[in-house]
Amino acid sequence: ETGVTQTPRHLVMGMTNKKSLKCEQHLGHNAMYWYKQSAKKPLELMFVYNFKEQTENNSVPSRFSPECPNSSHLFLHLHTLQPEDSALYLCASSPRVRGNTDTQYFGPGTRLTVL
Amino acid sequence: TQLLEQSPQFLSIQEGENLTVYCNSSSVFSSLQWYRQEPGEGPVLLVTVVTGGEVKKLKRLTFQFGDARKDSSLHITAAQPGDTGLYLCAGALNNNDMRFGAGTRLTVKP
Repeated sequence: ETGVTQTPRHLVMGMTNKKSLKCEQHLGHNAMYWYKQSAKKPLELMFVYNFKEQTENNSVPSRFSPECPNSSHLFLHLHTLQPEDSALYLCASSPRVRGNTDTQYFGPGTRLTVL
Repeated sequence: TQLLEQSPQFLSIQEGENLTVYCNSSSVFSSLQWYRQEPGEGPVLLVTVVTGGEVKKLKRLTFQFGDARKDSSLHITAAQPGDTGLYLCAGALNNNDMRFGAGTRLTVKP
């Protein structure tokens, strides 16, 4: 068990829908991350939170909106997505932001399909 | 062009064979990590290497960090079906920004 859970595991949505992805970590970490994983492409870092404050937004379109109410929970709100947004969305946590030897603990991901 | 190039992209071998996968870059990294991702799961850390030329062993897996800290290799001896998965390398740049490669997808057939 990784200590990082994500729900839902699978999500199919239309381009006009609004949905949210949820991530929870039980490890007492200070940093949380959202990544996008597409086939044959590197993991793309989307957002970084440190002590529930957003520290990075890597040019992510505004149709993705993160929320971090506390250091254990992270949400990704989705609206008016495009088919090319279909991917595996991974949440991760680590003891600190930018700890170059720190382990990032990943959740199992949410497989998102946009029709 | 990706910052970290992993090769091969796909590898299918028989149980018992040896293999090596590579992670290459023109950038210098302060550390490099290898993760394995199994179907339906998130990546799990295998090892972190920090020093140029460093070699670490984890049972049948041997990891090496290049002398110039720009590249790394993962060698698996006597591969088993349980080794099947996506192997990802991730390097930390000088500002500790972590970048991932696209991965090598390994299939070990019984």
